[in-house]
Order: sequence, then C-alpha cells, then structure tokens
Amino acid sequence: TQLLEQSPQFLSIQEGENLTVYCNSSSVFSSLQWYRQEPGEGPVLLVTVVTGGEVKKLKRLTFQFGDARKDSSLHITAAQTGDTGLYLCAVNFNKFYFGSGTKLNVKP
Amino acid sequence: EAGVAQSPRYKIIEKRQSVAFWCNPISGHATLYWYQQILGQGPKLLIQFQNNGVVDDSQLPKDRFSAERLKGVDSTLKIQPAKLEDSAVYLCASSRGETQYFGPGTRLLVL
Repeated sequence: TQLLEQSPQFLSIQEGENLTVYCNSSSVFSSLQWYRQEPGEGPVLLVTVVTGGEVKKLKRLTFQFGDARKDSSLHITAAQTGDTGLYLCAVNFNKFYFGSGTKLNVKP
Repeated sequence: EAGVAQSPRYKIIEKRQSVAFWCNPISGHATLYWYQQILGQGPKLLIQFQNNGVVDDSQLPKDRFSAERLKGVDSTLKIQPAKLEDSAVYLCASSRGETQYFGPGTRLLVL
C-alpha cells in the first residue's frame, strides 16, 4: 500500500477546461508538497501547504490541504497546453515519499 | 545560480554490467538525494546524504547499489551488477531546507 494515493492516474482534457487532481492518505502530515514534472526533466516544486484547510493560489492553480492534513487537491482553471505534465504530491514522513502522480495532457 | 547537474543523461547497458551516475548539487546545498523513478511511478528515495554522511539508505538495494559523497559535494551512484528491473530514471536532488531541487535525471535502460 502506497503512503500517498493520487487520482486520477491519467487525465486528458481540452484547453480551457477545468480539472482537479487528488492526493490522499490515511496518515497525518505536517506539510505536503506538489511538484510538476515535464518529460525528460526532474520534478519542480510548485507549492508547500502546511496548515489544515489552507488554500494557496499560484496563477490558475489552486492548492488545498485537507482540514485533517491527510489529503490535498490541486485545481487548475482554464487549463493550457503548457500545463501538460506529471503532477506529483510528496511528503516528508521521516523521509521523502512521492505519490505515483497524475499524468495530465492538455490538448489544443 | 546553476542547477543540479547529472551525467550521463542516457545509458544503455546489458544485464550484469556495471554503471555509475554522477551528480553535482547546487553550491552550498548540504543535503543530497538519489531517487529511482520507474516508468509510471513517482520517485522513490534510494539514499539521502547530509554533507558526506548518510542520513537514510533504507530503500537502497545494498547488494547491488552503492553511493558515495566524498568531500560532501559531488556524489556517485553505482549499480553492480545491473538487473533488468533497474531500468528507470535516476534523479539527483539537493536542498538547503525543505525545498528540493532536482536534476534532469539519468535514463538507464538495462537489456
């Protein structure tokens, strides 16, 4: 059983659509990170959420940390082709753990 | 500021051969990580160094994998002998806090 379960595994949408991806766990975390990884590159940190219920916005991306600090969501408004990539959540739980990611494809 | 450098970018070997990967972290970053990312999965931590000491290597297959960070700067990860299931991207990251900065990775194919 993975520490972090991400869903959906794959998502293919048209440019302009909205989407939400999820990162769930049965464990409680002090913080949670979201990364984006493009093909042939390493992951790049997008945001760190720390407080239960916290909402952070990064342009068209909205990140939320669950009240119980067990889960998180990433919502993208009006997706663009440049949003295409693998979205990974990660936690430092004595050591760093990553989820399996959501592979997003935004079609023009 | 230069990012994390890794080489080679690609490597193809036959099973039972040996291979080594090199990582040069961001200057001043005391913590260095090696991850294995198998296709379709997230990165899995293999080993974490703090300066030249090992913080965690609980997920490193020590019968075939080894890593060192002499002088607390550059690091090498070695696989000897390689197995088919070692085919993956090997990512190096460095940090000076909770933010990790990743290199582009080395893509290894074991035939």
